[in-house]
Amino acid sequence: DAKTTQPNSMESNEEEPVHLPCNHSTISGTDYIHWYRQLPSQGPEYVIHGLTSNVNNRMASLAIAEDRKSSTLILHRATLRDAAVYYCILRDAINDMRFGAGTRLTVKP
Amino acid sequence: DAMVIQNPRYQVTQFGKPVTLSCSQTLNHNVMYWYQQKSSQAPKLLFHYYDKDFNNEADTPDNFQSRRPNTSFCFLDIRSPGLGDAAMYLCATTSLRGYNEQFFGPGTRLTVL
Repeated sequence: DAKTTQPNSMESNEEEPVHLPCNHSTISGTDYIHWYRQLPSQGPEYVIHGLTSNVNNRMASLAIAEDRKSSTLILHRATLRDAAVYYCILRDAINDMRFGAGTRLTVKP
Repeated sequence: DAMVIQNPRYQVTQFGKPVTLSCSQTLNHNVMYWYQQKSSQAPKLLFHYYDKDFNNEADTPDNFQSRRPNTSFCFLDIRSPGLGDAAMYLCATTSLRGYNEQFFGPGTRLTVL
């Protein structure tokens, strides 16, 4: 399985943008980049995913490097409710989703 | 509005006493997963069903079994729980393996006394 590397933790101030990095240097051509987050005492929830092009949705934006060896999840205005563990996961059509350690995001008021 | 439901939310069992956790879904998804999440760790995939086709992860202990009697329901059976099996157990579903979003339930927290 292609692996991902994320910082253990990050801090942000409320209402400021947050950029969560993920390195995936061994990504293959068929791997999609998925992001999930897990709020305290809840199951993980889907945030966004992409293959090559940058992606936007109501929750976040995903910026993918041209060589696809890294990506960045962007929360445009962090709120206290965004405090969670964020997981960057590579998935293809055959293999199942396996979580790495993730980044614990703390949002300060 | 609940899509993936797990019951109970909290389960206490005794060392060695069999326990069953349940998961149901209203999404009509054909793939259902069970994950184990220990304290301060990431979720770890135990096994999944693709329709009725069961797929076990290589490192999932034999102590863990699963049943899927129909599309909507899936059960996790722990035949002889040990103290090391105390964890959050998460159920998830998706319509197709691979690219599609997984929908997770809230989890069942298992305590083993």
